[in-house]
Amino acid sequence: GQQLNQSPQSMFIQEGEDVSMNCTSSSIFNTWLWYKQDPGEGPVLLIALYKAGELTSNGRLTAQFGITRKDSFLNISASIPSDVGIYFCAGLPYGKLTFGQGTILTVHP
Amino acid sequence: KAGVTQTPRYLIKTRGQQVTLSCSPISGHRSVSWYQQTPGQGLQFLFEYFSETQRNKGNFPGRFSGRQFSNSRSEMNVSTLELGDSALYLCASSLVSRNTEAFFGQGTRLTVV
Repeated sequence: GQQLNQSPQSMFIQEGEDVSMNCTSSSIFNTWLWYKQDPGEGPVLLIALYKAGELTSNGRLTAQFGITRKDSFLNISASIPSDVGIYFCAGLPYGKLTFGQGTILTVHP
Repeated sequence: KAGVTQTPRYLIKTRGQQVTLSCSPISGHRSVSWYQQTPGQGLQFLFEYFSETQRNKGNFPGRFSGRQFSNSRSEMNVSTLELGDSALYLCASSLVSRNTEAFFGQGTRLTVV
């Protein structure tokens, strides 16, 4: 089945720094989603991407749907302490979301 | 608008028992998907229901089953529990089947002892 490789696995950054993470797929996806999960909670949808090349922002977050349709990127600008959590990419071929392994983000004040 | 509601939040069961988890989707949403989240395996798709019909199924044994009611509420059942079934079980609702924007509940933390 589809495999999603998400990197990096973890990041330790200082408050105010920018963050980049990405996901690559072994096959083409029609949609890319980015979620954030806080401890003990369910994932919260941050950004949804529907077209190759699409660039979408949500506040300090910006995500892009790769031209090849096999990858996606998430950038967080000017990180703040509440950005800590696990960020997941997810791809949707047909009806079942496939998730990356997650990127654990730690922000030091 | 109320979000996705999962009950119970926490559950402790003994090996060999069975368990039923409940999910109430966002009002108007007709698709409900279930996921298992463990530290080792990440988020894994269990199944999706739409209009009371299972539309997709992941690679889980038959001990995992589900159903959806006419009001779109869904239940997931796990029979003959094993220690490895300990996980966070997440439910996500979407407006329609195969819709991309899935909204998750807080999950049910199941511990099998």
